[in-house]
Amino acid sequence: AAGVIQSPRHLIKEKRETATLKCYPIPRHDTVYWYQQGPGQDPQFLISFYEKMQSDKGSIPDRFSAQQFSDYHSELNMSSLELGDSALYFCASSLVTRGGAGTTEAFFGQGTRLTVV
Amino acid sequence: LAKTTQPISMDSYEGQEVNITCSHNNIATNDYITWYQQFPSQGPRFIIQGYKTKVTNEVASLFIPADRKSSTLSLPRVSLSDTAVYYCLVGEGYGQNFVFGPGTRLSVLP
Repeated sequence: AAGVIQSPRHLIKEKRETATLKCYPIPRHDTVYWYQQGPGQDPQFLISFYEKMQSDKGSIPDRFSAQQFSDYHSELNMSSLELGDSALYFCASSLVTRGGAGTTEAFFGQGTRLTVV
Repeated sequence: LAKTTQPISMDSYEGQEVNITCSHNNIATNDYITWYQQFPSQGPRFIIQGYKTKVTNEVASLFIPADRKSSTLSLPRVSLSDTAVYYCLVGEGYGQNFVFGPGTRLSVLP
């Protein structure tokens, strides 16, 4: 079965550079989530999209932005990178059942490990 | 979103049953309880989800008392490969943004 695909798997950038992380959700999933996980920390929610519209925002720095495109893939753009941005970035997708009870199991990708030097 | 509280860590031995309890005192009527497992450097993986009473699948059982203020994930006969961090999440059946609180680090010993 198709899973969530993230690219690149590893990325090394210098301070003040920009980075773009890509996420390809599971086909027919309508919701995409982005998470940041620092070393030894729990995943921190950044932002989510439902049907290509931003649906919720978490602790995403102003230097970061994200969007979801017509083909449902999503990109996380990070500018003016700082050493503290070094982390694993996960994308997840789910099929949200609205209007009542439903399970919204989120499927996570393998993540992109960003190292800022 | 309801706040959750779990033990920081647990140790177990291979073949034992492990029960991890999560407290969620302010769970809302529409909230579901979902458990995820995460191995180092991998994305979290869905284990089980429930609303009330008991749910069982091929890997775990989830026990939820009538007041729903807590839940217990039960892993039967754990193996070394079950060593991971386990997260309890509480939120609505749709639109939730899967807020991860401090999980439980389970160590399975030989």
